[in-house]
Order: sequence, then C-alpha cells, then structure tokens
Amino acid sequence: KNEVEQSPQNLTAQEGEFITINCSYSVGISALHWLQQHPGGGIVSLFMLSSGKKKHGRLIATINIQEKHSSLHITASHPRDSAVYICAVFLYSGGGADGLTFGKGTHLIIQP
Amino acid sequence: NAGVTQTPKFQVLKTGQSMTLQCAQDMNHEYMSWYRQDPGMGLRLIHYSVGAGITDQGEVPNGYNVSRSTTEDFPLRLLSAAPSQTSVYFCASSYRRRVAGIYEQYFGPGTRLTVT
Repeated sequence: KNEVEQSPQNLTAQEGEFITINCSYSVGISALHWLQQHPGGGIVSLFMLSSGKKKHGRLIATINIQEKHSSLHITASHPRDSAVYICAVFLYSGGGADGLTFGKGTHLIIQP
Repeated sequence: NAGVTQTPKFQVLKTGQSMTLQCAQDMNHEYMSWYRQDPGMGLRLIHYSVGAGITDQGEVPNGYNVSRSTTEDFPLRLLSAAPSQTSVYFCASSYRRRVAGIYEQYFGPGTRLTVT
C-alpha cells in the first residue's frame, strides 16, 4: 500500500507570502491529485497530474516521478486560500480498492 | 449541473439506529464512492461502484451497506449505528472508462454524522 506523507501538517503565513506544500509517496504512481477542503467542509479538485507542472491562476502543482514527490505552490497568498490541502495518489491495483490513497492534509491559514 | 449532492448535511443518531445517507450525481459518471473522514486521518474508502448494479467493498466497509440501482444514485446505509461511525461522510464520482483514479474526482458537500 502506498504511503502518502504531507508536510507541513500546519502552516500559518502572512498575506502575500509564497506558500509551498509538499507530498511524498512510497510507491510509483499513475496520477496524483491535489484537493482543497474549505472550512465549510466541501472538497474541490485542484489538479490532477502525472508528470511535469500545471498552473491555474495563483496555484502551481509540480511532480517529480523519479523522486516520488509533488509540491503545491500558492503565489501571492490571500486569506481566502485558508483551507486544508490534500494530496492523493493513484496506482492501479494499489491503495484502496479504487486505487486512491490520501494524505492527512495540510492545514493552511493565511493571516491578513 | 448540480454536480454531486448529499443529504442530510447533519445527522445525530442513537446507538443501534439505522439510517441512509443519500448521494446523487447528474454528470452521468460511471464511478461513485463513499469515503469517511476522521480527525488526523486521510479519507478512507467505504464502498464503491463502477456502474449500475455493481458495488464492491473498500478499505472500511464493516457496518455499511450500499446499492446502485441507477447511474445517478448511490445511497449508503448504516445498519446499526455505533459511536465509532461518528465521522464526516463524503460521496464522490468520476468517469471510469478504465480506472477511476486517473480522472478528476467530484465530491459532494459531506454529511456530518454523530452517533451517541
């Protein structure tokens, strides 16, 4: 079973700072998801990637398959970015029955 | 599209009671799943379905039942609620032409369940 480790577990930063959240996994994967969970509880998919880099607005996700590592970056952070960010990896026939293994999440607070 | 909807949003049960958490999606997704989220733990898969009439167990299926009579609906039944089932429950769906994990997952808003 794939082990997914996220760091840091908790992060408090000032508005405008550049944020990096890391995700490491133990077994080769087919795809990696970054999810965002707001204080209200809803979960939204931010990125799904299997190689390279993706960008959406102020969010950037990168993955290094050889090093089994992904990072989520937030540029010009804003209080509305405060949320829990969850990494999930997919390996066909690995992880849970649907192949997805989730990290425990990184709790991000951006202070004005 | 409404996306993935879940009802109720909140529920309090007494030990031994049964209830059904409802989940529906209007995106014609083949794959639907139920997760539970507990403090300090990642999301864990309870049951999943790859299409109408087909369901299977996930990582933590004990105490839960599911059925998939239509593509749209995937209810989760708690047979005899226990305090250990106090959790937040999320329903999710995605396309599954081959395998679900390589397609974007769409999550419902969640149901917060407390069993006393």
